[in-house]
Amino acid sequence: KQEVTQIPAALSVPEGENLVLNCSFTDSAIYNLQWFRQDPGKGLTSLLLIQSSQREQTSGRLNASLDKSSGRSTLYIAASQPGDSATYLCAVRSGANNLFFGTGTRLTVIP
Amino acid sequence: SQTIHQWPATLVQPVGSPLSLECTVEGTSNPNLYWYRQAAGRGLQLLFYSVGIGQISSEVPQNLSASRPQDRQFILSSKKLLLSDSGFYLCAWSGLESIGRSQYFGPGTRLTVT
Repeated sequence: KQEVTQIPAALSVPEGENLVLNCSFTDSAIYNLQWFRQDPGKGLTSLLLIQSSQREQTSGRLNASLDKSSGRSTLYIAASQPGDSATYLCAVRSGANNLFFGTGTRLTVIP
Repeated sequence: SQTIHQWPATLVQPVGSPLSLECTVEGTSNPNLYWYRQAAGRGLQLLFYSVGIGQISSEVPQNLSASRPQDRQFILSSKKLLLSDSGFYLCAWSGLESIGRSQYFGPGTRLTVT
């Protein structure tokens, strides 16, 4: 069964810093990997989706990479802002109808 | 554009009481629909998914059930709640041929069983 791990569980950085969030998964036979953002008590907002054939995706200050063979993905956030504070979730699609989620990294950007 | 609604937003129910959570999607047809639960300190866990009216697949054994009476309506139910049913319940949808596509999530329902 697919297992997804996110490290670190929590991260605090000063505003303006660049940062990297890590995600690893145990089964490299995936269709795609998705990064989500979750604000406290709210639903999930999709940030980036990387297909298994792709190496990276970019959206604004966000860049996600995927190394399927080693079972790793990173989410790079450039020039962090207080509004980036949230929990970031990584999810991999291993089957047609199932996403396997990590437990998330709680990010705090300090003004 | 597509939108997904869930209600209620929060719910406090005693142990042994019934449950009904509703999810509806607008702006799309024949979506795949999903129910997830997020328990404290744990990742999201897929509970049910549906690829069409009346078609429900269960991912984990539990005292919950799901139904899809209409194309864009997905309902999560229980006859008797347990304390362990407390959590944050999220509904999601994706388009047909969902393997390459994103799942889009609703705002969630916070359930506390007392």
